[in-house]
Amino acid sequence: QVQLQESGPGLVKPSETLSLTCTVSGYSISSGYYWGWIRQPPGKGLEWIGSIYHSGSTYYNPSLKSRVTISVDTSKNQFSLKLSSVTAADTAVYYCARDWGGKFDYWGQGTLVTVSS
Amino acid sequence: EIVMTQSPATLSVSPGERATLSCRASQSVSSNLAWYQQKPGQAPRLLIYGASTRATGIPARFSGSGSGTEFTLTISSLQSEDFAVYYCQQYNNWPPNTFGQGTKLEIK
Repeated sequence: QVQLQESGPGLVKPSETLSLTCTVSGYSISSGYYWGWIRQPPGKGLEWIGSIYHSGSTYYNPSLKSRVTISVDTSKNQFSLKLSSVTAADTAVYYCARDWGGKFDYWGQGTLVTVSS
Repeated sequence: EIVMTQSPATLSVSPGERATLSCRASQSVSSNLAWYQQKPGQAPRLLIYGASTRATGIPARFSGSGSGTEFTLTISSLQSEDFAVYYCQQYNNWPPNTFGQGTKLEIK
């Protein structure tokens, strides 16, 4: 069974960089699929951030592209998200998920990241 | 960017009855449309992909239909565990993949 788990700081200061890692178990990232990040501000809907292939190929939401970096570490079966210059508008639950041709079939439980000084 | 619009925002239905949720795309997404269910405090769960194919383990009471710009999710006989928020998502023209704003299905 494919399982994903997000980890990282729950509090980030404005203007700093948000960093999260997703650890995948039950499936080797190197075997295929894209792997993505999606976020959900409190009480609001879902926003796709970006996805990465095991080779390192990425695609990002144009609305966030200038601030987002997604990377992969196949040796640890992990992929990571960095979002720079954060503001309160970046406060959200951040999910990692397996990107199956643009749809998402396995999700992590999500982690709340609050941007506040 | 393709805009996905769901209606209604909230739907009140009694257990055992049928629920019909709608999703409209601002331009054609062919059949590249997924539906997700999200319960409070949980991650979304993939229900339907390809507009009408149920994901693994999804009960037969969930069905999807439509193509192009108009889509429907139908839950034939509502169970207590079905009351949740439902999102549609297009994956035809990406980036970006885009989600609708959600429909909250509540107990009447």
